[in-house]
Amino acid sequence: GAGVSQTPSNKVTEKGKYVELRCDPISGHTALYWYRQSLGQGPEFLIYFQGTGAADDSGLPNDRFFAVRPEGSVSTLKIQRTERGDSAVYLCASSLEVGRQQYFGPGTRLTVT
Amino acid sequence: GENVEQHPSTLSVQEGDSAVIKCTYSDSASNYFPWYKQELGKRPQLIIDIRSNVGEKKDQRIAVTLNKTAKHFSLHITETQPEDSAVYFCAASDNQGGKLIFGQGTELSVKP
Repeated sequence: GAGVSQTPSNKVTEKGKYVELRCDPISGHTALYWYRQSLGQGPEFLIYFQGTGAADDSGLPNDRFFAVRPEGSVSTLKIQRTERGDSAVYLCASSLEVGRQQYFGPGTRLTVT
Repeated sequence: GENVEQHPSTLSVQEGDSAVIKCTYSDSASNYFPWYKQELGKRPQLIIDIRSNVGEKKDQRIAVTLNKTAKHFSLHITETQPEDSAVYFCAASDNQGGKLIFGQGTELSVKP
């Protein structure tokens, strides 16, 4: 079946702008995770959802970052007033349920100029 | 919170040799330890994982060992092949089974 998909694959934006990154999990997966990966580093946890609710948002760096999953499937990561330091690959993952294997999407490469 | 340290950062081996990558973790509540392989520009892919109720798990040329007392776990790849060349990440997750805390990665190069 189809894996985790993310759109767009690349996003270039100017400092100060607002961006939305979308994640489509594997069908039937109840848990969805967002990570951020900088060059040469391991993925860094941001937030995860169990169904529609954010179960753990302790990794969000500040209040410019927000994520939603209104119907328990697709999720959107929203970044306000982007800064150059936000440039990274944003990875989404999903699992059948919390605690099971996480399957990653291809990521969205965000570049803030 | 959990902290995962991974060593070495780079590893170069000859084809056919074994490769070992080691990780330590700080939170004794962690009980799930996956290993991911990431090729350049690609998504991380799970290659093997282990839970804290076992000490070792093997899948063909890949094995993982876990020492809960010492809080470290290792990835062993035998009979390495050039296609094993990639960056490998270890990770740890707690009882909630949610967020994964990743190590810094090991760039493995297998020379033919």
